[in-house]
Amino acid sequence: AQTVTQSQPEMSVQEAETVTLSCTYDTSESDYYLFWYKQPPSRQMILVIRQEAYKQQNATENRFSVNFQKAAKSFSLKISDSQLGDAAMYFCAYRLSGSEKLVFGKGMKLTVNP
Amino acid sequence: DAGVTQSPTHLIKTRGQQVTLRCSPKSGHDTVSWYQQALGQGPQFIFQYYEEEERQRGNFPDRFSGHQFPNYSSELNVNALLLGDSALYLCASSPLAGVTDTQYFGPGTRLTVL
Repeated sequence: AQTVTQSQPEMSVQEAETVTLSCTYDTSESDYYLFWYKQPPSRQMILVIRQEAYKQQNATENRFSVNFQKAAKSFSLKISDSQLGDAAMYFCAYRLSGSEKLVFGKGMKLTVNP
Repeated sequence: DAGVTQSPTHLIKTRGQQVTLRCSPKSGHDTVSWYQQALGQGPQFIFQYYEEEERQRGNFPDRFSGHQFPNYSSELNVNALLLGDSALYLCASSPLAGVTDTQYFGPGTRLTVL
């Protein structure tokens, strides 16, 4: 079974500092996609960053970057220069190539302190 | 460019009743997926619709059914509601033939079953 584990239920960071959110997943497949989604109190799930498993280069989107370790099945998200607007639930998700189903972790609540 | 929209925002039903939730996909998207997010959990995949057909289904009972219309909008129907059906129901759309193949989420419908 495909599973996604986010072991830290909550984290906090000071504004302007850097924080890393961890995620591990379990699959025997080699072709898949990984995602980080952000869900603020407004409830809308917003895509933060996406990584294709066949790409060795780690994805980067402005202040957000990932550390993708395929052999270790690890996919962490680094947020640099944290802003108050980054406060939200963050979900790591996985999707097999050819499947439509996103498998989510349980999420992690990020608090940003001014 | 309108994003994914869902209606209604909130809904309260009693056990045994039936409910219909609605979703309009993002412009240019032809595929709609539905997810159930229980409180404190990550979203769980219910099913996906493309070309008015159910393409893939998650581990949900037959009480959960759907429909997709020629304009790509979709409905989620839940019959014989149980207390455990109380959740946030998220709709996501994607361009099946698109380059990114990423799912974009709507704001959700909060269903409360009393």
